[in-house]
Amino acid sequence: DAKTTQPTSMDCAEGRAANLPCNHSTISGNEYVYWYRQIHSQGPQYIIHGLKNNETNEMASLIITEDRKSSTLILPHATLRDTAVYYCIVRVVETSGSRLTFGEGTQLTVNP
Amino acid sequence: DGGITQSPKYLFRKEGQNVTLSCEQNLNHDAMYWYRQDPGQGLRLIYYSQIVNDFQKGDIAEGYSVSREKKESFPLTVTSAQKNPTAFYLCASNKGASNTGELFFGEGSRLTVL
Repeated sequence: DAKTTQPTSMDCAEGRAANLPCNHSTISGNEYVYWYRQIHSQGPQYIIHGLKNNETNEMASLIITEDRKSSTLILPHATLRDTAVYYCIVRVVETSGSRLTFGEGTQLTVNP
Repeated sequence: DGGITQSPKYLFRKEGQNVTLSCEQNLNHDAMYWYRQDPGQGLRLIYYSQIVNDFQKGDIAEGYSVSREKKESFPLTVTSAQKNPTAFYLCASNKGASNTGELFFGEGSRLTVL
């Protein structure tokens, strides 16, 4: 399985961009990178995913390096409600199907 | 509204008792998943099912059992063989193995063993 490495915690000022890094140096060619976030004691919420190209949606942007060994989630204008644990996940495809393996995540704290 | 419903939200159990957590989805999703989360930790995969009447062990399946008799239901039984069952349990679903889209989560069930 491709594993991901994220910083344990990060801080960001409200209104500023939050840039959350993720290393996935053992990722395979057919494995997607997903980002989810989890507000305390709730179910995780999907943010964005990508394979090779950079992606953008209404929540965030995902920048994947050309060698696909790392990626960055960008929240362009962080708000207090963006305070959460952010998980970078690689989708593993096996003969029995696919699954998402979560790591420890990054605790993002947005400060006023 | 479409979504995933987990019940109960909170559950207390005595040591040595089995307990079953319910997970129901009305999203017409083929694949369903069970994760466990301990305080301050990430999610760990217990079991997953890509289709009715079929399921696979995840990373921490010991002490747990599942069934997938209906597409919309994927109950998880925490057996007495699970040595440390107190945790937050999350159920999820998506369209299936070939789908690369979003994984939808329920709100979780918090199990406490007394």
